[in-house]
Amino acid sequence: DSGVTQTPKHLITATGQRVTLRCSPRSGDLSVYWYQQSLDQGLQFLIQYYNGEERAKGNILERFSAQQFPDLHSELNLSSLELGDSALYFCASGSQVEQFFGPGTRLTVL
Amino acid sequence: AQSVTQLGSHVSVSEGALVLLRCNYSSSVPPYLFWYVQYPNQGLQLLLKYTTGATLVKGINGFEAEFKKSETSFHLTKPSAHMSDAAEYFCAVSDRLNSGYSTLTFGKGTMLLVSP
Repeated sequence: DSGVTQTPKHLITATGQRVTLRCSPRSGDLSVYWYQQSLDQGLQFLIQYYNGEERAKGNILERFSAQQFPDLHSELNLSSLELGDSALYFCASGSQVEQFFGPGTRLTVL
Repeated sequence: AQSVTQLGSHVSVSEGALVLLRCNYSSSVPPYLFWYVQYPNQGLQLLLKYTTGATLVKGINGFEAEFKKSETSFHLTKPSAHMSDAAEYFCAVSDRLNSGYSTLTFGKGTMLLVSP
């Protein structure tokens, strides 16, 4: 158990819909990272938050957004969903020298 | 920009045989280097990492990796494979120069298959 929790574990929705994925980092970690894992693109970094502020952005689509709340949990919002957004979404917390990954949320867009 | 290349999307070994998973990186400055393992339907677990110091790094489950700057490589090895080692392995790098931007760049992964 990494100490990083993600909900829900599975999410099935339709094209055009909007979903929210939730992540709670390990106790004491200020940074949260979001990654997407798909068969086509592999593991890709989406976005990093540090203590409530956006710190780095990767290959995140404009339809996707994230935020980190004062209690340090984070949410990833995915809107206008397309079939290609089906993937495993991971949250991680930690630092430059070690990131701990949550179990992931598997999103299926039908 | 950093990049990671893992040679071989699938590697098959017999139980008890040597495991060798290859990873090469491209970076203007040697980055921090990591190996993660992913079992089916699970998240990623850190096997080992190189940040500084000794270039031969030992990790969990009997795995080790050696950082070779001249070859820009960080290959993962295990002397004797177990059936339980069957999983997907990811090599990753992190830019050591930008401490506030510690995102990971992953390779495409290598699936390790272990036969009895």
